[in-house]
Amino acid sequence: GAGVSQSPSNKVTEKGKDVELRCDPISGHTALYWYRQSLGQGLEFLIYFQGNSAPDKSGLPSDRFSAERTGGSVSTLTIQRTQQEDSAVYLCASSWTVNSNQPQHFGDGTRLSIL
Amino acid sequence: GENVEQHPSTLSVQEGDSAVIKCTYSDSASNYFPWYKQELGKRPQLIIDIRSNVGEKKDQRIAVTLNKTAKHFSLHITETQPEDSAVYFCAAVNNAGNMLTFGGGTRLMVKP
Repeated sequence: GAGVSQSPSNKVTEKGKDVELRCDPISGHTALYWYRQSLGQGLEFLIYFQGNSAPDKSGLPSDRFSAERTGGSVSTLTIQRTQQEDSAVYLCASSWTVNSNQPQHFGDGTRLSIL
Repeated sequence: GENVEQHPSTLSVQEGDSAVIKCTYSDSASNYFPWYKQELGKRPQLIIDIRSNVGEKKDQRIAVTLNKTAKHFSLHITETQPEDSAVYFCAAVNNAGNMLTFGGGTRLMVKP
């Protein structure tokens, strides 16, 4: 079936604007994860969902970041009042469940550029 | 929390040679260790993984070894080819399975 789908693939916006990033996981996957990858760097964990629930939001970089998931499928990551340091590739991954034996499969990411 | 260290940060090998990338982790409760390959501008792709009840796993030219006592695991690529050139990330998953902590990545360059 289809893999993890993210939109938009690229987003350029002015500092101070709000942005919304979307992730559509693999069908049937109940666990969904958001990561951030700065240029030439590794992947930074942001938040995970089991179903619609995000039990731990401590990985989000600031209170300008929020995420939600409805219907156990699509998730949105919202960044309010964007700053230049928010520029990065935002990657979403999904797995069957939040279980240590389940591999995570990634989408292509959204490349966010803040001018 | 978990901390994953990865070495080397860059690795250049001649086509046909072997490449080894090493990672250490800090949380002894971590029990799943995937490796991802990321080509420029593309998504990380899972290439092999190992669970803590296994010491070694092999898939064609790729193998991964795990030493739980020492808390380190390694990726071995034999008979390297130019298409193996990419950034490779190791990761460790905590016992609850809700967090994947990545190493800093290794940029592998295979010279023809």
